Amino acid sequence: ETGVTQTPRHLVMGMTNKKSLKCEQHLGHNAMYWYKQSAKKPLELMFVYSLEERVENNSVPSRFSPECPNSSHLFLHLHTLQPEDSALYLCASSQEGLYNSYNEQFFGPGTRLTVL
Amino acid sequence: AQKITQTQPGMFVQEKEAVTLDCTYDTSDQSYGLFWYKQPSSGEMIFLIYQGSYDEQNATEGRYSLNFQKARKSANLVISASQLGDSAMYFCAMREHSSASKIIFGSGTRLSIRP
Repeated sequence: ETGVTQTPRHLVMGMTNKKSLKCEQHLGHNAMYWYKQSAKKPLELMFVYSLEERVENNSVPSRFSPECPNSSHLFLHLHTLQPEDSALYLCASSQEGLYNSYNEQFFGPGTRLTVL
Repeated sequence: AQKITQTQPGMFVQEKEAVTLDCTYDTSDQSYGLFWYKQPSSGEMIFLIYQGSYDEQNATEGRYSLNFQKARKSANLVISASQLGDSAMYFCAMREHSSASKIIFGSGTRLSIRP
């Protein structure tokens, strides 16, 4: 595997289900991100992990729970979601330097989530 | 106020023509980075080009170039000799020194290339 991979690619779940999205990066990066992309809205940053510590949590509802067990893996645990949570969830990674070098983020293909 | 503004929701261009996608940004930071990403219908965001606020030369990557006008706070993407495979959503994005871990994205422009 190369780059950033995400599983599953498609997920349909009921509001009472619990599911998890998985992201894995094979680039040796030290930062990982979760984004939400809804129809007709700009990409929204949800969570940032740098060196396995959460450094950003953009007022995301508690029904979304991230987990970063190591620098290569990132999970998004989902429970009691709402239909408005249906969206494309994108994972990304980057190599963060010491001097804010603004390195680009590399994205996975996304998980298309539908909440019924 | 929006940090990144893309005023063209959709564009149609004839194959082999050049196309300019507009992007303006708003920041009070002196140090920042600007990015363009391409998102085909498959959903993956593909990094295209980067411009640092202190870079004196406009960035170029193959058929992509960035027309950076710092005083006007614009960072337009120019695609030369467009190809059918260029049909996609294009997003302009910015990282500011004051919030280095965060990339802010614009609303995107849907580019369609006509054969």
